[in-house]
Amino acid sequence: AQSVSQHNHHVILSEAASLELGCNYSYGGTVNLFWYVQYPGQHLQLLLKYFSGDPLVKGIKGFEAEFIKSKFSFNLRKPSVQWSDTAEYFCAVNGGDKIIFGKGTRLHILP
Amino acid sequence: NAGVMQNPRHLVRRRGQEARLRCSPMKGHSHVYWYRQLPEEGLKFMVYLQKENIIDESGMPKERFSAEFPKEGPSILRIQQVVRGDSAAYFCASSRDVGETQYFGPGTRLLVL
Repeated sequence: AQSVSQHNHHVILSEAASLELGCNYSYGGTVNLFWYVQYPGQHLQLLLKYFSGDPLVKGIKGFEAEFIKSKFSFNLRKPSVQWSDTAEYFCAVNGGDKIIFGKGTRLHILP
Repeated sequence: NAGVMQNPRHLVRRRGQEARLRCSPMKGHSHVYWYRQLPEEGLKFMVYLQKENIIDESGMPKERFSAEFPKEGPSILRIQQVVRGDSAAYFCASSRDVGETQYFGPGTRLLVL
């Protein structure tokens, strides 16, 4: 069965710290991979996506993610977080018509 | 270029009433998807529709839930005889074609009293 696993449910960091959010997926075929972000009180926004090509994907707001096929992983990274990065982050995989989401990671950045 | 629009943003219903949630896809998008987010859970796929057709409803509860996407007008997710367990955020997404990036609306937060 298709599934997405996010390693941490809550992460607390200080401003300027480096961030890595883990994501592993389980899917038998070709996949498209996504990270979505939901800022407090706002709707889901696409942060970045991987369809094919360079496995290191750069997204908005300084975020990047690396697709490692052998590890079935698509971890999200940012070298230096800001207070405004406080949000919930969802890893997702698209296999066919539907998107399978992870349970999300709530990131709190301390000023 | 308006994004995906959903209304209402908040909906309060008493047990046994009906809830109707509306979704207007982005311009040029003919594929609509509905997802439900329960507290402390990720989004779960419910149904995928193209104009006038249900393509995949594998995530829809078998009873009380229905969805449509008529030729004219928004997609509607209808929940009959709501129960407290239906309280959740319901998100709609749209895409230009299947397999392409899905863009999400702001969601409708349903509260069943």
